Amino acid sequence: DADVTQTPRNRITKTGKRIMLECSQTKGHDRMYWYRQDPGLGLQLIYYSFDVKDINKGEISDGYSVSRQAQAKFSLSLESAIPNQTALYFCATSEGRDTGELFFGEGSRLTVL
Amino acid sequence: GQNIDQPTEMTATEGAIVQINCTYQTSGFNGLFWYQQHAGEAPTFLSYNVLDGLEEKGRFSSFLSRSKGYSYLLLKELQMKDSASYLCAVMDSNYQLIWGAGTKLIIKP
Repeated sequence: DADVTQTPRNRITKTGKRIMLECSQTKGHDRMYWYRQDPGLGLQLIYYSFDVKDINKGEISDGYSVSRQAQAKFSLSLESAIPNQTALYFCATSEGRDTGELFFGEGSRLTVL
Repeated sequence: GQNIDQPTEMTATEGAIVQINCTYQTSGFNGLFWYQQHAGEAPTFLSYNVLDGLEEKGRFSSFLSRSKGYSYLLLKELQMKDSASYLCAVMDSNYQLIWGAGTKLIIKP
């Protein structure tokens, strides 16, 4: 089993719908991240969390929200999906602040029609 | 602003050597990272440089020059399985990773 698991792996939804992407990890890391990846662009940070009570906005947080339910679980929500949120979403974990070694989930491909 | 530049696409021949360059302009520097990403898969960590010089790990090596804001990833004895995108990322003064758009490497027989 993967150390970082994302569900769903693929989702097609309609404009205006609420969608939640879930991430769970067994690595025991405190730090968790949500990124989106679009063709031709670098990974963009949406939200990150250093522990259950510490959640921070990334560079593109508008239109997204997150919940850190436990050390192992970090969910990303789109309250009202729009087509330009169509992207590949990755959850990642890391061991500490100054390590750039991230462990990524398999990705969730979201299409908003 | 912060910026990471790397070529969009490169082509190389199986068995050969290829060098993928990365230049960066960031607010501070706390390390440079290379990741490999096969199509449709998650990025996986390859290498880390924080001091100037060459870090070697098997067929892969990564070089850093902080004064020039420059790094390269060197892949030797190319294999077909090396066909992937290679992502350069820099950790800035706030310990945030800034990502390049990636270089798609195509290996031909």
